[in-house]
Amino acid sequence: AQSVTQPDIHITVSEGASLELRCNYSYGATPYLFWYVQSPGQGLQLLLKYFSGDTLVQGIKGFEAEFKRSQSSFNLRKPSVHWSDAAEYFCAVGTNYGGSQGNLIFGKGTKLSVKP
Amino acid sequence: EAGVAQSPRYKIIEKRQSVAFWCNPISGHATLYWYQQILGQGPKLLIQFQNNGVVDDSQLPKDRFSAERLKGVDSTLKIQPAKLEDSAVYLCASSHGPSGYGYTFGSGTRLTVV
Repeated sequence: AQSVTQPDIHITVSEGASLELRCNYSYGATPYLFWYVQSPGQGLQLLLKYFSGDTLVQGIKGFEAEFKRSQSSFNLRKPSVHWSDAAEYFCAVGTNYGGSQGNLIFGKGTKLSVKP
Repeated sequence: EAGVAQSPRYKIIEKRQSVAFWCNPISGHATLYWYQQILGQGPKLLIQFQNNGVVDDSQLPKDRFSAERLKGVDSTLKIQPAKLEDSAVYLCASSHGPSGYGYTFGSGTRLTVV
């Protein structure tokens, strides 16, 4: 069965420091992979997505992610974190099977705190 | 373009009561999803519509949850009767088509069952 694992429940980084959020997935076919961000009381905003091609994907707000098929990973990175990046981050894999297309399977999320 | 609209934003009900949530997707988006997000977890799909037909409702607790999408636009999700474990944020999302296009999520309805 498809699944997504985000090993880190909570990460704290200093403002200006680099960030890497880990994501591992289990999916039988070529995955569609996504990172979403959720601020308190808000819905989820798409940061970036991977379908195929270049394994390094650029997203909004200065984020990027690298797809590594051999490691079944899709880690999110940012070279310099801003205080406004404090939020919860969700990795997701998109499914496409049979007559059901489009549902996302999410990890449990990583909460990012930024200290001044 | 306007986003996905959901109402109400918050709802508190007693267990065994009923509740309904409303979602208006982005204009032209044929696919609509309802997700349940329990505190501390990622969202979980409840039901997926393609136009006004159900594509996937395998994880919808059909003994108490129901959803409809009349005329292929707005959608309503209902819970009757509610249980304590239904306390969660209910997110509606819409997309043009398959997951590759990415979703647009609404801000959600936070339900508390007491």
